[in-house]
Amino acid sequence: GQNIDQPTEMTATEGAIVQINCTYQTSGFNGLFWYQQHAGEAPTFLSYNVLDGLEEKGRFSSFLSRSKGYSYLLLKELQMKDSASYLCAVRDRSNDYKLSFGAGTTVTVRA
Amino acid sequence: DADVTQTPRNRITKTGKRIMLECSQTKGHDRMYWYRQDPGLGLRLIYYSFDVKDINKGEISDGYSVSRQAQAKFSLSLESAIPNQTALYFCATSDTHNEQFFGPGTRLTVL
Repeated sequence: GQNIDQPTEMTATEGAIVQINCTYQTSGFNGLFWYQQHAGEAPTFLSYNVLDGLEEKGRFSSFLSRSKGYSYLLLKELQMKDSASYLCAVRDRSNDYKLSFGAGTTVTVRA
Repeated sequence: DADVTQTPRNRITKTGKRIMLECSQTKGHDRMYWYRQDPGLGLRLIYYSFDVKDINKGEISDGYSVSRQAQAKFSLSLESAIPNQTALYFCATSDTHNEQFFGPGTRLTVL
């Protein structure tokens, strides 16, 4: 199985930058996904990394290092609407290509 | 119209009752999934299906059953509900290689 770790909570100020780390252990890594989930709502897809490096999408960027089993999600120019839970998920080809999710990081943006 | 729909959105029931949660999708995806989400535990996979004739157990299938009635429909049943099945339930769909899309969720309370 997978072991996916991410911090439980983070707090930052509007306009600032926050970095959410995710570490994982898996035998058949086949991609890492980040999802955003507002309280009581469905997770929505943010980013996908399968090769090492940085993927940038507007204010959000995601980085992957497969050799270190490490990823981070970078949120820039924070807005109040970015207050949400951020889920790290790993796909494993030795596990039917299913996703295993971390417990999520709750980000609170303060004015 | 939403691509992935779930009914009901909220349900309160009593211990021992049979409950069915339904999921429909218009994305044309072959793969469908049922997850439950509990505070601090993240999303955990209950059952998944890669096509109409394929049903597989996830990490927490005890006490649950599923039916894949058509490519677009995947239902989850609790044969005899118990209080520790109180949770937020999500259906999701995907094609073979890309991200999963989640329904809006069903909040189930078992008294």
